[in-house]
Amino acid sequence: AQTVTQSQPEMSVQEAETVTLSCTYDTSESDYYLFWYKQPPSRQMILVIRQEAYKQQNATENRFSVNFQKAAKSFSLKISDSQLGDAAMYFCAYRSATNDMRFGAGTRLTVKP
Amino acid sequence: GAVVSQHPSRVICKSGTSVKIECRSLDFQATTMFWYRQFPKQSLMLMATSNEGSKATYEQGVEKDKFLINHASLTLSTLTVTSAHPEDSSFYICSARGLQGTEAFFGQGTRLTVV
Repeated sequence: AQTVTQSQPEMSVQEAETVTLSCTYDTSESDYYLFWYKQPPSRQMILVIRQEAYKQQNATENRFSVNFQKAAKSFSLKISDSQLGDAAMYFCAYRSATNDMRFGAGTRLTVKP
Repeated sequence: GAVVSQHPSRVICKSGTSVKIECRSLDFQATTMFWYRQFPKQSLMLMATSNEGSKATYEQGVEKDKFLINHASLTLSTLTVTSAHPEDSSFYICSARGLQGTEAFFGQGTRLTVV
């Protein structure tokens, strides 16, 4: 079974600085998708960024980018120019070719003004 | 992105009663829907996966007779918590994905409190 590990329960960053959230996963499949979701206090899950495993190029969405290392099974999220609104729980997720999605334990990000 | 509406957002029910939670895809056809449970300060735990017109596939440890899932149409899935007990109190979240979709879109979640 696939597992997703987020080893940082909490992270803190100063406003306007950069922070990196870590995620590793375990799988025997070659075709899969990886995601980062944000869950603010409202608890609505918001997609931040996604990466297809067959793509070598790292995904980027404005201030959010990933470092996808397929061989190492690592998928970290970098948030640049952090804003107060970035404060939330961040979940790394893996979607297998068989459709189900698994989540990591989450990282609570605090942004200090 | 696509919109998934989950209703109700909050529900309080008495122990022993049943409660139904609806998950609707508003602007796309959801061939697959997922139901998750989230305990406070914890991650989302997949309960079951349902494909339209088929029986749901439950994760190990999830009681299918207690958590009834119906996915009778391409826009609606329901989760019914039968004979609810206080330990069923939790936050339940649905997500939906279309046939060619890569990611799933999430509903707003339902906070269930059983008293």
